[in-house]
Amino acid sequence: GAGVSQSPRYKVAKRGQDVALRCDPISGHVSLFWYQQALGQGPEFLTYFQNEAQLDKSGLPSDRFFAERPEGSVSTLKIQRTQQEDSAVYLCASSGPGGGTETQYFGPGTRLLVL
Amino acid sequence: AQRVTQPEKLLSVFKGAPVELKCNYSYSGSPELFWYVQYSRQRLQLLLRHISRESIKGFTADLNKGETSFHLKKPFAQEEDSAMYYCALSGWTGRRALTFGSGTRLQVQP
Repeated sequence: GAGVSQSPRYKVAKRGQDVALRCDPISGHVSLFWYQQALGQGPEFLTYFQNEAQLDKSGLPSDRFFAERPEGSVSTLKIQRTQQEDSAVYLCASSGPGGGTETQYFGPGTRLLVL
Repeated sequence: AQRVTQPEKLLSVFKGAPVELKCNYSYSGSPELFWYVQYSRQRLQLLLRHISRESIKGFTADLNKGETSFHLKKPFAQEEDSAMYYCALSGWTGRRALTFGSGTRLQVQP
């Protein structure tokens, strides 16, 4: 079946612009995760949803970052007033259907460049 | 706090040589450990997890709780093993997010 998809694949934004990054998880997957991967680093956790509930947002670096998953499937990560330090690859992963210790399946990522 | 350390940024070996990618962790409790791999122009994918005790593509990893290590090993490297390898951990309950190391690039030369 189809894997996790993300759009856009690449995004160039001017400093101060707002951006929205979309994630389509594997159908039926309960859990959805967002990670941020800076150049030369491993992915770092941002936030976690179980269905539509955002259970953990402890990794969001500032209040400029906001994520939602209103119907328990597609998720959007929004970054307001982008800064150069927001430049990174944003990865989405989903797992399920149990919402427990299942393997996380990753999308291809959105590469964000803030100029 | 939980932490994963991969001390080598780059490991270069010749085809047929043994490979060991190092991973050390710190975690207050009993973690679940993973190795993820990213081949060129592909997405991050699970290679193996310690609870499965499987050998995938000839790779194995043993959890050593005494040394808090989860090193990835393969007896004979192949050119197609060239990729970026990430060690990761998560807890069994509560927070399910993965904590990743910074990754090791494996280059297998012909």
